[in-house]
Amino acid sequence: EVQLQESGPGLVKPSQSLSLTCSVTGYSITSNYWGWIRKFPGNKMEWMGYISYSGSTSYNPSLKSRISITRDTSKNQFFLQLNSVTTEDTATYYCARYLRGFDYWGQGVMVTVSS
Amino acid sequence: DVVLTQTPVSLSVTLGDQASISCRSSQSLEYSDGYTYLEWYLQKPGQSPQLLIYGVSNRFSGVPDRFIGSGSGTDFTLKISRVEPEDLGVYYCFQATHDPLTFGSGTKLEIK
Repeated sequence: EVQLQESGPGLVKPSQSLSLTCSVTGYSITSNYWGWIRKFPGNKMEWMGYISYSGSTSYNPSLKSRISITRDTSKNQFFLQLNSVTTEDTATYYCARYLRGFDYWGQGVMVTVSS
Repeated sequence: DVVLTQTPVSLSVTLGDQASISCRSSQSLEYSDGYTYLEWYLQKPGQSPQLLIYGVSNRFSGVPDRFIGSGSGTDFTLKISRVEPEDLGVYYCFQATHDPLTFGSGTKLEIK
């Protein structure tokens, strides 16, 4: 069974970097696409970006040059780094596999940006 | 960016009745290969979002046939026939045809 699990700090200070890990079991990240999605307080959902089976990436332009998604295929993990965070980045962050849709999701990690 | 406009914002439905959610796109979601990358997700309280429908009308594995997706071009609909208690939550449409990928604003389904 495909399982994803996010990990990382739940509290980040403004202007610092947010770093999250998505650990995948039951399926290789060298296949398909692997994304980061966040849900803000309220209902708004935002696709942040993805890393493909080949390691290529695509990012939401709204995040400009602040975002980076990388991977470690030996550990079957992929990572999110978001730089220069503000309180507007407070959200629950999810990693997910994209096949014909985001068919497997992690449980999500709530990240608060606050001093 | 493609804007997906979902209506209604919230929906209160009696158990056993039908619910219908509309998703209108600011651009056609038909890709150059003829496929339409329009999906529907449900986020139940306290859970991660789950895929219901992909490619406009294809139910994901394990999704009951009460969930029916339809539409084309810029207009899409999710119908839930015979609403059950476990259907409550927030429904989102999502498009992966155009970069950046975008979600609709969500429709909250409540049970009367």
